[in-house]
Amino acid sequence: DSGVTQTPKHLITATGQRVTLRCSPRSGDLSVYWYQQSLDQGLQFLIQYYNGEERAKGNILERFSAQQFPDLHSELNLSSLELGDSALYFCASSVVDGPYGYTFGSGTRLTVV
Amino acid sequence: DQQVKQNSPSLSVQEGRISILNCDYTNSMFDYFLWYKKYPAEGPTFLISISSIKDKNEDGRFTVFLNKSAKHLSLHIVPSQPGDSAVYFCAASAGANSKLTFGKGITLSVRP
Repeated sequence: DSGVTQTPKHLITATGQRVTLRCSPRSGDLSVYWYQQSLDQGLQFLIQYYNGEERAKGNILERFSAQQFPDLHSELNLSSLELGDSALYFCASSVVDGPYGYTFGSGTRLTVV
Repeated sequence: DQQVKQNSPSLSVQEGRISILNCDYTNSMFDYFLWYKKYPAEGPTFLISISSIKDKNEDGRFTVFLNKSAKHLSLHIVPSQPGDSAVYFCAASAGANSKLTFGKGITLSVRP
């Protein structure tokens, strides 16, 4: 157990629908990062929050949004889902705002049918 | 545009031998490099890192080498163990930017 909790572990939904992925960081970690891993691809950075504020943005689609709440948990909202959004979505957390070996959760596998 | 490339999708080695995993990058702004290991149904786990001011970093059986002029890094595992069988991702960052750019990963199989 890495200490980073992601729910749900699996999600199957239809095209056009909206889903919310949840991440609880390790205790004490202020930074939360979201990554997407599509088939045969490396992890693609989506967005980072640090202590409730958006800190960095990657190739995140406009249909996707995220937020970090006062208790530091984060949610990634995916709307108007398309087949190509099927992927593993990882959340990671770290104490500092830096690239130094953050801790990943076990991921949410999203399947859009 | 794949800025971090792991050109070999898989590698198979005998237990006890050396595993060498390679990674190339194209972005000259990258100055911090990491390796992550991933088992099925788990998230990636941080393994070892190296700053661009160094050319080698060692942690137990794991050593990472960085060749800045060639924009190449490698992870050496000696001796390889069956438990090392996993997918290994190379990642890089630029400056204080927290974003990591990952390669596609390489699947290492260590045969008993």
